[in-house]
Amino acid sequence: DAGVTQSPTHLIKTRGQQVTLRCSPKSGHDTVSWYQQALGQGPQFIFQYYEEEERQRGNFPDRFSGHQFPNYSSELNVNALLLGDSALYLCASSWTGDGNQPQHFGDGTRLSIL
Amino acid sequence: QQQVKQSPQSLIVQKGGISIINCAYENTAFDYFPWYQQFPGKGPALLIAIRPDVSEKKEGRFTISFNKSAKQFSLHIMDSQPGDSATYFCAASNGQAGTALIFGKGTTLSVSS
Repeated sequence: DAGVTQSPTHLIKTRGQQVTLRCSPKSGHDTVSWYQQALGQGPQFIFQYYEEEERQRGNFPDRFSGHQFPNYSSELNVNALLLGDSALYLCASSWTGDGNQPQHFGDGTRLSIL
Repeated sequence: QQQVKQSPQSLIVQKGGISIINCAYENTAFDYFPWYQQFPGKGPALLIAIRPDVSEKKEGRFTISFNKSAKQFSLHIMDSQPGDSATYFCAASNGQAGTALIFGKGTTLSVSS
């Protein structure tokens, strides 16, 4: 049973560019959340997608946007990249059908901005 | 404003000892409190979680103690092993387990052999 998979594992971009990160949820999960983890810090919630719509959003600017597809996979897009966007981007999936289901995390995409 | 405060930042414990990590929260609407373990180069993995209707939950060597009145909860790792060396995060959320998690800043645990 495959867990949460994210691609790519590493990415290097320059300031001002745009980036798209991808996530496939764990089998049976229908909800995807994205987190940003700066070096030495805890993950920070960006947003959550359910039924192809953004259900909840954290304190991140509009440069961060996302999408969920009918197969529950998701993309995170970041426009006009800043040096401060360098971080590990984590995807977590869960099943909304049972409120006790925890979030399962992938191993993340390491994004470096030059 | 940090809603979940975690301490200590780092911890060194001898093999076989007890590791204790503490967290405090501010939002009384939080009703789900998980602990995650993260190894270098990996994503966080759920260790154990608790809801406010119980004061303690134990799974193997890992125990969560919860004090609702003090708005504090802690992770105890009994018989700590070198393989437990990792970064531990407490978290909290409001609502079902699948909603946004608010994480602490993490505790780096080193278990010496």
